[in-house]
Amino acid sequence: SQQGEEDPQALSIQEGENATMNCSYKTSINNLQWYRQNSGRGLVHLILIRSNEREKHSGRLRVTLDTSKKSSSLLITASRAADTASYFCATVIIGNQFYFGTGTSLTVIP
Amino acid sequence: DTGVSQDPRHKITKRGQNVTFRCDPISEHNRLYWYRQTLGQGPEFLTYFQNEAQLEKSRLLSDRFSAERPKGSFSTLEIQRTEQGDSAMYLCASSSTGGPNSPLHFGNGTRLTVT
Repeated sequence: SQQGEEDPQALSIQEGENATMNCSYKTSINNLQWYRQNSGRGLVHLILIRSNEREKHSGRLRVTLDTSKKSSSLLITASRAADTASYFCATVIIGNQFYFGTGTSLTVIP
Repeated sequence: DTGVSQDPRHKITKRGQNVTFRCDPISEHNRLYWYRQTLGQGPEFLTYFQNEAQLEKSRLLSDRFSAERPKGSFSTLEIQRTEQGDSAMYLCASSSTGGPNSPLHFGNGTRLTVT
């Protein structure tokens, strides 16, 4: 079963705008990771945030984590057409189980 | 680092046939995962190996599904007596021994179509 749920399911923005997507999950986690998937391809790891961290940055990506609300957000700043993809959060619980959410489909219009 | 490779990329089979997929992980990675993904959904966990030991299997993995990793390197996923509901993308991923903070490296998947 899927542990996480992304919101919105689909997002369409103009190039240069910021894109924000959210992830809610159900159980306590070790860490939360965000992945990107281009159509017909495998997933690519973007960024990891540990359960004791609240915010993390990597290039144009900013991730926040609120463990009290069991939620995370991914912000992509100054979006580009090449950012068009599906984005998934993955929660890592005990052991090495990775559970993926349902994904947000992002379209960046040039 | 040649990445995770999966073979074949696409497989079309008739209902009732058996199919086998192969995954070659990144060479130094000792953990290997199989996921299934249907259109518009996120990957669903199927099973996980550490070296050659299969440590966990999802309840999604019926007894028609079997996975092996005989020498702790490549892995195979076999589906017997395929059904139309098995149509999906089957993704393989590997990770290193860095514990739960090691990210997954995915292959590009095998797309199975059961007619």
